[in-house]
Amino acid sequence: QVQLVQSGAEVKTPGASVRLSCKASGYSITHYYIHWVRQAPGEGLEWMGVIHPSDGRTNYAQKLQGRITVTTDTSTSTVYMELSSLRSEDTAVYYCARDGCEYWGQGTLVTVSS
Amino acid sequence: DVVMTQSPLSLPVTLGQPASISCRSSQSLVYSDGNTNLSWFHQRPGQSPRRLIYKVSNRDSGVPDRFSGSGSGTDFTLKISRVEAEDVGVYYCMQPTQWPYTFGQGTKLEIK
Repeated sequence: QVQLVQSGAEVKTPGASVRLSCKASGYSITHYYIHWVRQAPGEGLEWMGVIHPSDGRTNYAQKLQGRITVTTDTSTSTVYMELSSLRSEDTAVYYCARDGCEYWGQGTLVTVSS
Repeated sequence: DVVMTQSPLSLPVTLGQPASISCRSSQSLVYSDGNTNLSWFHQRPGQSPRRLIYKVSNRDSGVPDRFSGSGSGTDFTLKISRVEAEDVGVYYCMQPTQWPYTFGQGTKLEIK
């Protein structure tokens, strides 16, 4: 069965970077886009960006341009999302989801605090 | 970006009664292939969203048939024929027609 398993919670200080992972199983990662979506505490869902693992093509939300980088390692079926210059407003649960968002990871809580 | 607007944002419902959530997009969600791409999700506290409906009216596997989606163009509706206790949580519509994907603000369904 399709599974997306994400890395564990992170606590970062303002200005730092965080790199999250999303490991896919149950299908060929090169066949579907992987999206990143985040949810601040008590807030709604915000799309962050997408990658096609077959060729590394990406597209990012305009508000995150310059701070977000999504990459893939097809040998381990893992997608990575790095967010730099972290601010308190980046405190959120970060999800990866397969294209169409039928399948989601369990989420990773990132806390940005001094 | 396509703006998705949901209403109501809060929905108190009596068990066994129907519920309806509206979602309006700022642009038509008809894709180049003629299909209309609009999805609905349900999220319980502390859980990942779960997709219920895709392409306006198609239920995902395992979704009870009391959930139904309808609509066209820019106006869409999610209906629950008879609300059950497990249906509490927040419902989101989402357009996957173009990047960036965009979500509605969410509708919180609670039991009266």
